Amino acid sequence: AQSVTQLDSQVPVFEEAPVELRCNYSSSVSVYLFWYVQYPNQGLQLLLKYLSGSTLVESINGFEAEFNKSQTSFHLRKPSVHISDTAEYFCAVSHNQGGKLIFGQGTELSVKP
Amino acid sequence: EAGVVQSPRYKIIEKKQPVAFWCNPISGHNTLYWYRQNLGQGPELLIRYENEEAVDDSQLPKDRFSAERLKGVDSTLKIQPAELGDSAVYLCASSCRDCVSNNEQFFGPGTRLTVL
Repeated sequence: AQSVTQLDSQVPVFEEAPVELRCNYSSSVSVYLFWYVQYPNQGLQLLLKYLSGSTLVESINGFEAEFNKSQTSFHLRKPSVHISDTAEYFCAVSHNQGGKLIFGQGTELSVKP
Repeated sequence: EAGVVQSPRYKIIEKKQPVAFWCNPISGHNTLYWYRQNLGQGPELLIRYENEEAVDDSQLPKDRFSAERLKGVDSTLKIQPAELGDSAVYLCASSCRDCVSNNEQFFGPGTRLTVL
């Protein structure tokens, strides 16, 4: 069975500091990996995804994540965060495209001035 | 392009009452999903439709939950009777297999249900 663990429930950080949100998964088959962001009172939005190819994937707003198969991880990083990055971040896996997503518990990123 | 539409956005009911949620997916999206998100947790799939066919309903509590997508477009999720533990946010998502978005799931804003 697949599962996703987000190791930190809350991550407070100061503006312009780097941040890493950790995600580990377990699966006996190949997976597709995703990071979603949920701003207050809004729906989930896809931030970035790994389907195949390069293990480093990037989003348009400066986030990146690296698929590490040996460590079964897909950590999300940003070198310099903004106040507007404050949100809940969810890591998810799927074992086929269009199939169900299995989500982690979420990490609340709080960026302080 | 309009996103996934859900209504109502909020619903407060007493236990044992029925409740229904409605979802209209993005136009042309053949796959529709219902997820439940409990407080402080990630969403969990309840049911997935390919057009009008439910292809994965293994997580749907069938004693009290039902869903339909009769014409393969919009969908309704019903709970009857509701229990206190059903308080959660119910999320609808849709995806398109043959589109540029390549099976990316787009989520609606959700319906926040409170059962008193």
